[in-house]
Amino acid sequence: EAGVAQSPRYKIIEKRQSVAFWCNPISGHATLYWYQQILGQGPKLLIQFQNNGVVDDSQLPKDRFSAERLKGVDSTLKIQPAKLEDSAVYLCASSLGVGTAIRTDTQYFGPGTRLTVL
Amino acid sequence: GNSVTQMEGPVTLSEEAFLTINCTYTATGYPSLFWYVQYPGEGLQLLLKATKADDKGSNKGFEATYRKETTSFHLEKGSVQVSDSAVYFCALSDAGKSTFGDGTTLTVKP
Repeated sequence: EAGVAQSPRYKIIEKRQSVAFWCNPISGHATLYWYQQILGQGPKLLIQFQNNGVVDDSQLPKDRFSAERLKGVDSTLKIQPAKLEDSAVYLCASSLGVGTAIRTDTQYFGPGTRLTVL
Repeated sequence: GNSVTQMEGPVTLSEEAFLTINCTYTATGYPSLFWYVQYPGEGLQLLLKATKADDKGSNKGFEATYRKETTSFHLEKGSVQVSDSAVYFCALSDAGKSTFGDGTTLTVKP
């Protein structure tokens, strides 16, 4: 079974530039997550989709971050404009279930995109 | 809100030593609890989980018991190997929302 795919793996940009990350979840997984992991910290949930609907985006800085999930499959996360503090690894994860099943589901993580903002 | 607190690292052990990594949590609901592991150069992957009080999750010789009375989910292994060197993350899922600890780096020396 193919895992969660992410691209690019690395990205270096200047502050105030824009950047986009792509994620392809495991086939058949209804729920997709984007996390931000700053060096030395654990992953912080930015946004969670069930199929193509947003379930939780309470920690997404909506003035600069946006995300969409196309047709309930692939997803893109965009930052515009980027700030120095956005330097982090952006992780995409997916899980099988929806609704109350999410509570017990295992999340499967992609390799992440390491973003450096100069 | 929810939170997960892990013992501060890094942890360095000799091969065959006993391992404990402490994890405590606060949650508004009744969460499931997880340990994820990140081996060098690899992505996060599930190590074990427990979905209700007094459940014990186990995998690859690691164990953790869901203790609701002490809000804890400590990770243990009786005899660590060099190949267990990794970063370990405790996490909870409550009402569909996931919260991770900051991770504990384990280094096992031969």
